Amino acid sequence: GENVEQHPSTLSVQEGDSAVIKCTYSDSASNYFPWYKQELGKRPQLIIDIRSNVGEKKDQRIAVTLNKTAKHFSLHITETQPEDSAVYFCAATGNQFYFGTGTSLTVIP
Amino acid sequence: KAGVTQTPRYLIKTRGQQVTLSCSPISGHRSVSWYQQTPGQGLQFLFEYFSETQRNKGNFPGRFSGRQFSNSRSEMNVSTLELGDSALYLCASSLGTGRAAIGGYTFGSGTRLTVV
Repeated sequence: GENVEQHPSTLSVQEGDSAVIKCTYSDSASNYFPWYKQELGKRPQLIIDIRSNVGEKKDQRIAVTLNKTAKHFSLHITETQPEDSAVYFCAATGNQFYFGTGTSLTVIP
Repeated sequence: KAGVTQTPRYLIKTRGQQVTLSCSPISGHRSVSWYQQTPGQGLQFLFEYFSETQRNKGNFPGRFSGRQFSNSRSEMNVSTLELGDSALYLCASSLGTGRAAIGGYTFGSGTRLTVV
């Protein structure tokens, strides 16, 4: 089955700086890569996703890049704000969703 | 449209008891997946149902079971509860399974189970 690794497990950045979270996957057949944000005490929510036929996707301050050859994809958050503080999960879809282990992002005001 | 509804929100049980959790997916979604989340841990996959059939199963003991009804609502059952079963149990619904789940999962708010 698929194996998704996510790094780093914790990340602290100053407000206004950029944050990057990276994930690697093993199944070359995976073709859909969503990212979820989970604020403290809340449910995970989809924030951005990318399909395997696209290399990059942006949505305001958030972007995701995909390198199918290297089997890795990354979440980029620019101009970080305190409300970006949360746990972020990546996922890759094979026969089911395979989630990474999460990155706890703290944005320091 | 209504989101994913999980009931109950909180539950306290005693070791050895059993518990049933419920998940109502978004209307039109036929896939329901269940996850266990403990503090500091990620999303541990339990199982996934689609059209009343279990499609995938994670590495949990047989005490954890589930089912899905014809209206796509799903229940998860844990028998002979252990202290280590204390966790947030999340369900998620989607239109399809795996690669067909384009649009991703929509998670419910979860059921927080405490075993004492």
